[in-house]
Amino acid sequence: QVVQSGAEVTKPGATVRLSCKISGYSDAGYTFSDYYIHWMQQAPGKGLEWVGLVDPEEANGETIYAAKFQGRVTMTADTSTGTAYMELRNLRSDDTAMYYCATGDGPPEFWGQGALVTVTA
Amino acid sequence: DIQMTQSPSTLSASVGDRVSITCRASQSISRWLAWYQQKPGKAPNLLIYKASILQSGVPARFSGSGSGTEFTLTISSLQPDDFATYYCQQYDSYPWTFGQGTKVEIK
Repeated sequence: QVVQSGAEVTKPGATVRLSCKISGYSDAGYTFSDYYIHWMQQAPGKGLEWVGLVDPEEANGETIYAAKFQGRVTMTADTSTGTAYMELRNLRSDDTAMYYCATGDGPPEFWGQGALVTVTA
Repeated sequence: DIQMTQSPSTLSASVGDRVSITCRASQSISRWLAWYQQKPGKAPNLLIYKASILQSGVPARFSGSGSGTEFTLTISSLQPDDFATYYCQQYDSYPWTFGQGTKVEIK
């Protein structure tokens, strides 16, 4: 099960931090650290865009970000709570979108419900 | 970045129709392609991975084919629950990229 934090309304230039709690791993036969956690952006009425990923393996914490978000985004994972985070800084109006976290072996099969971020003055 | 182009953008069809959606990659991605279905207000749902492998629980009327740069998603007999938007996605290399989506509408 993948449960994301709630909707956010914020101003241009602000920072938002979204969370993504992943549970039920043991029932599915694997652990939180086994698969990358990805974040996707979907602007209103638009398609899906990959934002980046975090490797939740504790000793690793490797991240890869899309160039569009590089420098403004930080993804982390807390293995003690099974929760991933995405921080997006210096928000702009075109960051208004639904953000999904997702995980799984290869293309993600487990998705959160999404968190709507609205950036408005 | 690898560009993914889907066609058509919109498809009007009737229940029982056989429909196909095409996805083209700007360079070879071998078979590292996935298909998702998305309904309004919901997260995407993984249908097919590695171009043709059906995700567990997905009805057998869905099938995928192709390799290299050209791929197809086929629904053999369209059902009322299938009216949705479909996306292809390459996971051959980062950044992952998606097609622009194909909306399947009721004719």
